[in-house]
Amino acid sequence: GEDVEQSLFLSVREGDSSVINCTYTDSSSTYLYWYKQEPGAGLQLLTYIFSNMDMKQDQRLTVLLNKKDKHLSLRIADTQTGDSAIYFCAESPSYSSASKIIFGSGTRLSIRP
Amino acid sequence: NAGVTQTPKFQVLKTGQSMTLQCAQDMNHNSMYWYRQDPGMGLRLIYYSASEGTTDKGEVPNGYNVSRLNKREFSLRLESAAPSQTSVYFCASSERGGLNYGYTFGSGTRLTVV
Repeated sequence: GEDVEQSLFLSVREGDSSVINCTYTDSSSTYLYWYKQEPGAGLQLLTYIFSNMDMKQDQRLTVLLNKKDKHLSLRIADTQTGDSAIYFCAESPSYSSASKIIFGSGTRLSIRP
Repeated sequence: NAGVTQTPKFQVLKTGQSMTLQCAQDMNHNSMYWYRQDPGMGLRLIYYSASEGTTDKGEVPNGYNVSRLNKREFSLRLESAAPSQTSVYFCASSERGGLNYGYTFGSGTRLTVV
């Protein structure tokens, strides 16, 4: 079945790069997403990548997709305290679905001074 | 532009009580969704509505009902609340089945059932 897995916690030093990893199971996924959730708030779409792309860069964010290994990563350069949040990986399994995006359990990123 | 608005933000219920969580979006989106978020389990889909007039079950529909009142509004009802329904509930909407546009989420309703 469809499943998205990611580690629950990541701690990095301020100014370093953060790399959050995710694996998914559905090879037919068309889009893959990264969402950010700040305390007490809903999820906010950070970025997405189409399945025929290997990489997407947007300012401090770099998304890498290894379709063969079904592995997605999010790199945040120069991590700041404002990046503290839970990051969710998600996949959109098919065009025909009404679109039940499947979410991972989220990775809580904490920043050390 | 308010986006997705959920009410109430917090609620405490006694076991067996009923309540309706309200959700409205002002983006003219076709699809709407209800998720619950529990620690370590990510988001699980309860029900969704691909378009006005249709609703379908998600991963965890038991104990819930929904109504797509019109294009803007999608409500979630707990007929007889149970402690296992203690959770944070999120409503989301998307323009076209959630593909490259992703979802827009509300800020959530934190529900405690005692």
